[in-house]
Amino acid sequence: NAGVMQNPRHLVRRRGQEARLRCSPMKGHSHVYWYRQLPEEGLKFMVYLQKENIIDESGMPKERFSAEFPKEGPSILRIQQVVRGDSAAYFCASSYSRAPDTQYFGPGTRLTVL
Amino acid sequence: QKEVEQNSGPLSVPEGAIASLNCTYSDRGSQSFFWYRQYSGKSPELIMSIYSNGDKEDGRFTAQLNKASQYVSLLIRDSQPSDSATYLCAVYLMNSGYSTLTFGKGTMLLVSP
Repeated sequence: NAGVMQNPRHLVRRRGQEARLRCSPMKGHSHVYWYRQLPEEGLKFMVYLQKENIIDESGMPKERFSAEFPKEGPSILRIQQVVRGDSAAYFCASSYSRAPDTQYFGPGTRLTVL
Repeated sequence: QKEVEQNSGPLSVPEGAIASLNCTYSDRGSQSFFWYRQYSGKSPELIMSIYSNGDKEDGRFTAQLNKASQYVSLLIRDSQPSDSATYLCAVYLMNSGYSTLTFGKGTMLLVSP
Protein backbone atom coordinates (compact mmCIF):
# COMPACT_ATOMS: atom_id res chain seq x y z
CA ASN A 1 0.00 0.00 0.00
CA ALA A 2 1.66 3.18 -1.21
CA GLY A 3 -0.81 5.50 0.50
CA VAL A 4 -0.41 7.62 3.61
CA MET A 5 -0.52 5.43 6.72
CA GLN A 6 -1.55 6.46 10.18
CA ASN A 7 -1.65 4.53 13.40
CA PRO A 8 -3.30 3.85 15.60
CA ARG A 9 -6.66 4.31 13.91
CA HIS A 10 -8.40 4.69 17.24
CA LEU A 11 -6.82 5.82 20.48
CA VAL A 12 -8.44 6.13 23.89
CA ARG A 13 -6.70 8.04 26.63
CA ARG A 14 -7.67 9.24 30.09
CA ARG A 15 -7.28 12.86 31.02
CA GLY A 16 -3.65 13.66 31.85
CA GLN A 17 -2.14 10.87 29.75
CA GLU A 18 -0.01 11.30 26.65
CA ALA A 19 -1.15 10.54 23.13
CA ARG A 20 1.25 9.70 20.32
CA LEU A 21 -0.02 9.65 16.77
CA ARG A 22 2.12 8.32 13.95
CA CYS A 23 2.11 9.07 10.25
CA SER A 24 4.08 7.49 7.41
CA PRO A 25 3.87 9.56 4.23
CA MET A 26 3.14 8.23 0.80
CA LYS A 27 6.16 6.61 -0.85
CA GLY A 28 8.42 9.26 -2.32
CA HIS A 29 6.84 12.09 -0.31
CA SER A 30 8.96 14.05 2.13
CA HIS A 31 6.46 16.70 3.24
CA VAL A 32 3.97 15.99 6.02
CA TYR A 33 1.05 18.01 7.32
CA TRP A 34 -1.13 17.45 10.39
CA TYR A 35 -4.75 18.55 10.68
CA ARG A 36 -7.37 18.31 13.40
CA GLN A 37 -11.08 17.94 12.78
CA LEU A 38 -13.45 18.52 15.67
CA PRO A 39 -17.00 17.16 15.44
CA GLU A 40 -19.14 19.30 13.15
CA GLU A 41 -16.18 21.52 12.33
CA GLY A 42 -13.82 21.86 9.42
CA LEU A 43 -10.29 20.67 9.01
CA LYS A 44 -7.81 22.90 10.81
CA PHE A 45 -4.14 23.01 9.87
CA MET A 46 -1.77 22.31 12.74
CA VAL A 47 1.78 21.86 11.49
CA TYR A 48 3.84 21.33 8.32
CA LEU A 49 7.06 19.34 8.50
CA GLN A 50 9.80 18.21 6.20
CA LYS A 51 12.38 15.65 7.22
CA GLU A 52 14.02 16.92 10.43
CA ASN A 53 12.48 20.38 10.01
CA ILE A 54 9.33 22.15 11.12
CA ILE A 55 8.35 24.42 8.24
CA ASP A 56 5.18 25.99 9.67
CA GLU A 57 3.63 25.39 13.09
CA SER A 58 1.29 28.36 13.07
CA GLY A 59 -1.75 26.17 13.75
CA MET A 60 -0.29 24.23 16.64
CA PRO A 61 -1.53 25.02 20.16
CA LYS A 62 1.30 26.60 22.12
CA GLU A 63 1.16 24.13 24.99
CA ARG A 64 1.05 20.34 25.23
CA PHE A 65 1.33 19.73 21.48
CA SER A 66 4.52 18.93 19.58
CA ALA A 67 5.43 17.30 16.29
CA GLU A 68 8.50 15.81 14.71
CA PHE A 69 9.51 14.13 11.49
CA PRO A 70 12.87 12.43 12.05
CA LYS A 71 15.32 11.43 9.37
CA GLU A 72 14.24 7.82 9.82
CA GLY A 73 10.76 6.68 10.74
CA PRO A 74 7.31 8.20 10.79
CA SER A 75 6.19 11.66 11.73
CA ILE A 76 4.82 11.84 15.26
CA LEU A 77 2.27 14.20 16.73
CA ARG A 78 2.50 14.19 20.51
CA ILE A 79 -0.16 15.51 22.85
CA GLN A 80 0.84 15.69 26.49
CA GLN A 81 -1.60 15.76 29.42
CA VAL A 82 -4.63 15.28 27.19
CA VAL A 83 -7.92 16.97 28.05
CA ARG A 84 -11.44 16.15 26.87
CA GLY A 85 -11.28 18.98 24.35
CA ASP A 86 -8.50 17.15 22.53
CA SER A 87 -10.99 14.48 21.43
CA ALA A 88 -11.05 14.77 17.65
CA ALA A 89 -9.98 13.16 14.41
CA TYR A 90 -6.36 13.86 13.57
CA PHE A 91 -5.40 13.57 9.93
CA CYS A 92 -2.01 13.46 8.36
CA ALA A 93 -1.39 14.39 4.74
CA SER A 94 1.71 14.23 2.59
CA SER A 95 2.97 15.84 -0.57
CA TYR A 96 5.81 15.14 -2.98
CA SER A 97 7.08 18.71 -3.16
CA ARG A 98 6.92 21.58 -0.73
CA ALA A 99 3.71 23.57 -0.49
CA PRO A 100 1.79 24.56 -2.54
CA ASP A 101 1.64 20.99 -3.74
CA THR A 102 -1.22 18.49 -3.78
CA GLN A 103 -1.79 16.87 -0.42
CA TYR A 104 -2.99 13.29 0.02
CA PHE A 105 -4.61 12.28 3.27
CA GLY A 106 -4.21 9.27 5.51
CA PRO A 107 -7.14 7.49 7.18
CA GLY A 108 -6.83 9.48 10.38
CA THR A 109 -6.57 8.71 14.08
CA ARG A 110 -9.70 9.12 16.18
CA LEU A 111 -8.64 10.24 19.64
CA THR A 112 -11.09 9.89 22.50
CA VAL A 113 -10.22 11.35 25.88
CA LEU A 114 -12.19 9.93 28.79
CA GLN B 1 -14.98 37.50 5.98
CA LYS B 2 -14.05 33.87 6.43
CA GLU B 3 -10.97 32.87 4.48
CA VAL B 4 -12.61 29.99 2.59
CA GLU B 5 -16.37 29.94 2.62
CA GLN B 6 -18.84 27.28 1.56
CA ASN B 7 -22.57 26.87 2.02
CA SER B 8 -22.96 24.14 4.62
CA GLY B 9 -26.03 22.66 2.91
CA PRO B 10 -27.31 20.09 2.74
CA LEU B 11 -27.66 20.38 -1.00
CA SER B 12 -30.24 17.86 -2.13
CA VAL B 13 -30.42 16.71 -5.74
CA PRO B 14 -32.17 13.78 -7.40
CA GLU B 15 -30.17 11.00 -8.98
CA GLY B 16 -29.02 11.93 -12.47
CA ALA B 17 -29.11 15.68 -11.86
CA ILE B 18 -26.21 18.13 -11.86
CA ALA B 19 -24.94 19.14 -8.43
CA SER B 20 -23.27 22.53 -8.20
CA LEU B 21 -21.01 23.25 -5.23
CA ASN B 22 -19.58 26.69 -4.64
CA CYS B 23 -16.67 28.17 -2.73
CA THR B 24 -15.38 31.70 -2.24
CA TYR B 25 -12.05 32.73 -0.80
CA SER B 26 -10.85 35.96 0.69
CA ASP B 27 -7.30 36.31 -0.57
CA ARG B 28 -7.03 37.61 -4.13
CA GLY B 29 -3.46 36.38 -4.55
CA SER B 30 -4.31 32.79 -3.68
CA GLN B 31 -3.30 29.94 -5.94
CA SER B 32 -3.75 26.18 -6.08
CA PHE B 33 -7.34 25.19 -5.42
CA PHE B 34 -8.58 21.74 -4.50
CA TRP B 35 -11.80 19.85 -4.03
CA TYR B 36 -11.89 16.93 -1.61
CA ARG B 37 -14.72 14.54 -0.83
CA GLN B 38 -15.21 13.27 2.70
CA TYR B 39 -17.61 10.49 3.59
CA SER B 40 -18.88 10.44 7.16
CA GLY B 41 -16.22 9.05 9.47
CA LYS B 42 -13.62 8.85 6.71
CA SER B 43 -10.69 10.94 5.58
CA PRO B 44 -10.69 13.56 2.80
CA GLU B 45 -10.17 12.14 -0.68
CA LEU B 46 -8.83 14.34 -3.45
CA ILE B 47 -11.23 14.84 -6.34
CA MET B 48 -9.64 17.61 -8.37
CA SER B 49 -7.10 20.38 -8.38
CA ILE B 50 -7.27 23.56 -10.45
CA TYR B 51 -4.71 26.29 -10.87
CA SER B 52 -5.79 28.45 -13.84
CA ASN B 53 -8.94 30.39 -14.64
CA GLY B 54 -11.53 28.43 -16.55
CA ASP B 55 -12.86 24.90 -16.46
CA LYS B 56 -11.14 21.60 -15.81
CA GLU B 57 -13.01 18.37 -16.47
CA ASP B 58 -12.36 14.88 -15.12
CA GLY B 59 -15.06 12.34 -15.82
CA ARG B 60 -18.32 13.47 -14.23
CA PHE B 61 -16.56 16.28 -12.35
CA THR B 62 -15.84 19.79 -13.60
CA ALA B 63 -13.99 22.38 -11.55
CA GLN B 64 -14.38 26.03 -12.44
CA LEU B 65 -12.09 28.82 -11.27
CA ASN B 66 -12.59 32.57 -11.52
CA LYS B 67 -9.76 34.36 -9.75
CA ALA B 68 -11.16 37.83 -10.46
CA SER B 69 -14.33 36.91 -8.56
CA GLN B 70 -12.41 34.77 -6.04
CA TYR B 71 -14.72 31.90 -6.75
CA VAL B 72 -14.21 28.20 -7.38
CA SER B 73 -16.94 25.66 -8.04
CA LEU B 74 -17.41 21.96 -8.58
CA LEU B 75 -20.05 20.50 -10.86
CA ILE B 76 -21.01 16.86 -10.60
CA ARG B 77 -22.91 15.58 -13.60
CA ASP B 78 -25.21 12.56 -13.49
CA SER B 79 -25.16 12.59 -9.69
CA GLN B 80 -25.30 9.20 -8.01
CA PRO B 81 -26.37 8.26 -4.47
CA SER B 82 -22.74 7.25 -3.89
CA ASP B 83 -21.80 10.92 -4.41
CA SER B 84 -23.58 11.75 -1.14
CA ALA B 85 -20.79 13.14 1.04
CA THR B 86 -19.34 16.38 2.31
CA TYR B 87 -17.31 18.28 -0.28
CA LEU B 88 -14.42 20.36 0.98
CA CYS B 89 -12.93 23.29 -0.86
CA ALA B 90 -9.27 23.97 -0.03
CA VAL B 91 -7.03 26.86 -1.01
CA TYR B 92 -3.40 27.78 -0.53
CA LEU B 93 -3.92 31.35 0.63
CA MET B 94 -1.38 34.03 -0.15
CA ASN B 95 -1.53 35.33 3.42
CA SER B 96 -0.20 32.00 4.64
CA GLY B 97 2.79 32.31 2.34
CA TYR B 98 1.20 29.53 0.32
CA SER B 99 2.54 27.10 2.88
CA THR B 100 -0.71 25.96 4.47
CA LEU B 101 -3.89 24.61 2.95
CA THR B 102 -7.01 26.32 4.29
CA PHE B 103 -10.25 24.39 4.15
CA GLY B 104 -13.83 25.53 4.03
CA LYS B 105 -16.25 23.82 6.40
CA GLY B 106 -17.68 21.81 3.55
CA THR B 107 -20.99 21.39 1.78
CA MET B 108 -23.01 18.28 2.43
CA LEU B 109 -24.46 16.78 -0.73
CA LEU B 110 -27.40 14.38 -0.63
CA VAL B 111 -28.32 12.54 -3.81
CA SER B 112 -31.67 10.82 -3.61
CA PRO B 113 -32.43 7.72 -5.70
